[in-house]
Amino acid sequence: EVQLVESGGGLVQPGGSLRLSCAASGFTFSSYEMNWVRQAPGKGLEWVSYISSSGSTIYYADSVKGRFTISRDNAKNSLYLQMNSLRAEDTAVYYCARTAAAGGFDPWGQGTLVTVSS
Amino acid sequence: DIQMTQSPSTLSASVGDRVTITCRASQSISSWLAWYQQKPGKAPKLLIYKASSLESGVPSRFSGSGSGTEFTLTISSLQPDDFATYYCQQYNSYPFTFGPGTKVDIK
Repeated sequence: EVQLVESGGGLVQPGGSLRLSCAASGFTFSSYEMNWVRQAPGKGLEWVSYISSSGSTIYYADSVKGRFTISRDNAKNSLYLQMNSLRAEDTAVYYCARTAAAGGFDPWGQGTLVTVSS
Repeated sequence: DIQMTQSPSTLSASVGDRVTITCRASQSISSWLAWYQQKPGKAPKLLIYKASSLESGVPSRFSGSGSGTEFTLTISSLQPDDFATYYCQQYNSYPFTFGPGTKVDIK
C-alpha cells in the first residue's frame, strides 16, 4: 500500500524552529517528486514547497522562502521540511504529497499540526 | 503567479441533484488542472487530473471538463458521501496554486 506518514509537528514559539518528516512506503520513493502543502485552521490549501526526485530542483512559496528548507533522503525514503523563524501565520496542518505521474498530488499523508504561539 | 478562483463558494444541494462547480485560472493552463475532495479532518483526495481524467477508484458520477482558463467539476447525482469541500489546483507552473474551495452541504 502506498503510504505517506508525517511527523514532527507541535507547539513552537514565534521565531522558533521545527523539522517535519514524511516517511514514504509502498512505492519507489526515489522516482517521485514530492511536495509540502499546508492548511491553516478553517482555511484552504496552500502549496508550500516542491523537490524533484533527485533533490536537484526545489521551489518555495513566497510566503516561506528564506525561512523553510525542503530536503529528502532517498536512501531512507524520507522527505523533510526544516522550518525556521516561525510566525503565527505558519500555524497549519502540514501535508506531504507525492506528485502523481499523470498530474496532481496523490497520495497525501494524514497531516501534522504545527502551532506557532507564545 | 497563476491565480485560481472557484464558484460558488458554498453550494447547498440534495441527494440525487446534479452539481456543477466552476474553476477559473488567471491565465491559460492548458489542461493542467486537478480536482480534490476534502472531508473535515481528512487529507484531500485526488478526483480528477488533466482536467477530465478520472482517478482510479473514483466513482463515475464525477466528471471534469474544460481547458485554457475555465473548468468545471460535475457530480451527476449527488450521494451522501459527496458532501465535502472541493478544490481545484493548477499544475501548469509553480507555484501550483489551489482555488479557495467550494463547500457542498446538505440542503
